[in-house]
Amino acid sequence: SQQGEEDPQALSIQEGENATMNCSYKTSINNLQWYRQNSGRGLVHLILIRSNEREKHSGRLRVTLDTSKKSSSLLITASRAADTASYFCAVLPIYNQGGKLIFGQGTELSVKP
Amino acid sequence: ETGVTQSPTHLIKTRGQQVTLRCSSQSGHNTVSWYQQALGQGPQFIFQYYREEENGRGNFPPRFSGLQFPNYSSELNVNALELDDSALYLCASSWAGASGDSPLHFGNGTRLTVT
Repeated sequence: SQQGEEDPQALSIQEGENATMNCSYKTSINNLQWYRQNSGRGLVHLILIRSNEREKHSGRLRVTLDTSKKSSSLLITASRAADTASYFCAVLPIYNQGGKLIFGQGTELSVKP
Repeated sequence: ETGVTQSPTHLIKTRGQQVTLRCSSQSGHNTVSWYQQALGQGPQFIFQYYREEENGRGNFPPRFSGLQFPNYSSELNVNALELDDSALYLCASSWAGASGDSPLHFGNGTRLTVT
């Protein structure tokens, strides 16, 4: 079963706008990661935030983590058409069974030029 | 540095047949994981190999099996294929260091269709 739940399932914005995606999970975690997937391709790692961190930045990406609410958000600022992709959160549970990353269902982001 | 490569890119098989998918890890990585991704879904963990041994498995039946070779390349074998096995199969490599939280590097997957 997948523990990560992303919200919204789909998001359509104009170029230059910000995009916010949310992720909720059920277990205690070691870390939470965000990945991006272009249609029919493999996933690309974007950012990792550990359970003792609350916020992390990487370029136009900002990730927050609230372990008390078991939730995370990914903010993409000043979006570009090239950001169009599916975005997945994935959690590494504390019990860490063989490095099993549990992925959510993903948010499909469409950025219109 | 070479990335993760998977072969073949596409495959069509008949129900009941067997299939072998191959993966070459990114250089310097010692761990390989396999994921199944159905259309419109997130990837589901199948299993992970470290030092040629399976060290974690998801909720997949024994007809899903794997191998990791000394050069860290890997195979995923699926026996007695079922229609529901149709999916994108993703291989991901990583470095299992002391922190145990290195990110995964994915290949572009093998699209398996079972008819």
